[in-house]
Amino acid sequence: AAGVIQSPRHLIKEKRETATLKCYPIPRHDTVYWYQQGPGQDPQFLISFYEKMQSDKGSIPDRFSAQQFSDYHSELNMSSLELGDSALYFCASSLGLGRTSRRSGNTIYFGEGSWLTVV
Amino acid sequence: GEDVEQSLFLSVREGDSSVINCTYTDSSSTYLYWYKQEPGAGLQLLTYIFSNMDMKQDQRLTVLLNKKDKHLSLRIADTQTGDSAIYFCADRGSTLGRLYFGRGTQLTVWP
Repeated sequence: AAGVIQSPRHLIKEKRETATLKCYPIPRHDTVYWYQQGPGQDPQFLISFYEKMQSDKGSIPDRFSAQQFSDYHSELNMSSLELGDSALYFCASSLGLGRTSRRSGNTIYFGEGSWLTVV
Repeated sequence: GEDVEQSLFLSVREGDSSVINCTYTDSSSTYLYWYKQEPGAGLQLLTYIFSNMDMKQDQRLTVLLNKKDKHLSLRIADTQTGDSAIYFCADRGSTLGRLYFGRGTQLTVWP
């Protein structure tokens, strides 16, 4: 079965540079989430989109922005990178409101993550 | 925001059962999830439970939910060395809501 696809899998950037991460959700999923996981930490929610509109916002720095496109893929843009931005960035997808059921649990599926190293 | 707590470490012998515990604070939780993360890998959904259920079994996995105490547990029967990983408990409030993760429990299985 198709899963959530993230690219690139690994990225090395210098301080103050810009990086863009891409996420392709599971087919027919209309909701995308972005999470950041620092070393030894639990994943922290950044932002989510439902039907191409921002649906929720977490601890996303102002230097970061994201959007969801008409084909439901999403991009996370990170500018003025800092050393502390080095982390594993996860994208996840699910079906949004109106399609929830006890059977599916409105489950959220995660991609393999994109490793960002800022040097 | 919502709080999800887990013990950080658990060690068991191969063949024994493992029980990983989790507590949460959100009284409006709809679903609770267990994810597994192996070193350098992504988050693999193991199982989930709807908040109106108190138990769910899926092969070697048993999830118990005590909604009154806001306590969730994951039992792995016949634990194998391949089960060694970090297990995250996650709480989801509203239907479109974000997941709130615990710090993760590092399960180590000794041969």
